[in-house]
Amino acid sequence: DTGVSQNPRHKITKRGQNVTFRCDPISEHNRLYWYRQTLGQGPEFLTYFQNEAQLEKSRLLSDRFSAERPKGSFSTLEIQRTEQGDSAMYLCASSLGGGAPLHFGNGTRLTVT
Amino acid sequence: DAKTTQPTSMDCAEGRAANLPCNHSTISGNEYVYWYRQIHSQGPQYIIHGLKNNETNEMASLIITEDRKSSTLILPHATLRDTAVYYCIVRGLNYGGSQGNLIFGKGTKLSVKP
Repeated sequence: DTGVSQNPRHKITKRGQNVTFRCDPISEHNRLYWYRQTLGQGPEFLTYFQNEAQLEKSRLLSDRFSAERPKGSFSTLEIQRTEQGDSAMYLCASSLGGGAPLHFGNGTRLTVT
Repeated sequence: DAKTTQPTSMDCAEGRAANLPCNHSTISGNEYVYWYRQIHSQGPQYIIHGLKNNETNEMASLIITEDRKSSTLILPHATLRDTAVYYCIVRGLNYGGSQGNLIFGKGTKLSVKP
């Protein structure tokens, strides 16, 4: 069990650019979640997948955000036309089914200048 | 919105037990109490969860009151490495849709001091 892996750990981009983050869940975990965390706040739910199906999106997930999980394995989160307000830690988590505890990665910290 | 209330911060002496309270007065019968912690610059780490019975694992003990309206996380011998933000979360059993997701509040910042 190597844990949830997220890449890159840090990303600095200029406003208006597109960025993509990758999450590799714990193998055999069929659920994968994306959260966002800003300074001093708890993580906020963005979206989750059951295998390859995206089952729920938070209203925080604007049209500039898109997440995919092809083949039900790794997932990507893309932000188009980044804004300074997108600066945050983006966390990925996975679980073995909906009733199991979520296991989080160490996140990707995005800074939009 | 988070369904729990926790103190903003707490201090604990190294080697002593740390008792972190959580109020969840609106908890439903099918909802579990989960505890996570987040050490600086890391993702949240699962600690323990329970429904109505007290639970213990290698990390901590969880004491849930009989009416389930509050709970206490106990770290029996706190070390400096236990300094973190601790989140108490109520999570539904119906795991289809948002009831299966974790809704975080601001948590309790625990500082373990030498």
